Amino acid sequence: SQQGEEDPQALSIQEGENATMNCSYKTSINNLQWYRQNSGRGLVHLILIRSNEREKHSGRLRVTLDTSKKSSSLLITASRAADTASYFCATDAGIYNQGGKLIFGQGTELSVKP
Amino acid sequence: EAGVAQSPRYKIIEKRQSVAFWCNPISGHATLYWYQQILGQGPKLLIQFQNNGVVDDSQLPKDRFSAERLKGVDSTLKIQPAKLEDSAVYLCASSFHGLQETQYFGPGTRLLVL
Repeated sequence: SQQGEEDPQALSIQEGENATMNCSYKTSINNLQWYRQNSGRGLVHLILIRSNEREKHSGRLRVTLDTSKKSSSLLITASRAADTASYFCATDAGIYNQGGKLIFGQGTELSVKP
Repeated sequence: EAGVAQSPRYKIIEKRQSVAFWCNPISGHATLYWYQQILGQGPKLLIQFQNNGVVDDSQLPKDRFSAERLKGVDSTLKIQPAKLEDSAVYLCASSFHGLQETQYFGPGTRLLVL
């Protein structure tokens, strides 16, 4: 079963607007990561947030983590057409994880219209 | 620094045929992962190697899938015989030592089984 579940499954916005994607997970984690996947390509790592962190920034990206609610959000500010991609959250399995295994959600498909 | 290399990029075969995928991880990365990504879903881990040893193959359909990482560098994933439901993108990823850190993905091999 999936550990992370993204919401919404699809999001369409205009260039310049902000995009927010949410991820919920089920078990305790050590860290949560967000990846981007352009159509027909491999995944690209965006940001990693550890379980003792609440917020992290990287350029136009802001990630929050609420371990009490077992949820995370990814905010992309001032979106660009080039941000069009699928976005995945990935969690380890916390204390049950062996060797860094990641469990991915089903992704949010973001479309940014120029 | 060169990224994760995979070949071939595309493969079309008929059911019951065999197929093999190749992956060359980033130099110095001890951990190598093979994921299966079915259209519209997030990647699912098939097998994880630490150097040339298997760490996790719990989701590898061992009756038809096999993988090896001889000498702890390159890896091959084989499917024999292929089924229609094996149609997917097969992603290879690597990380430095695999513990709670970023994974770097290759471009993937898109497999279509007819």
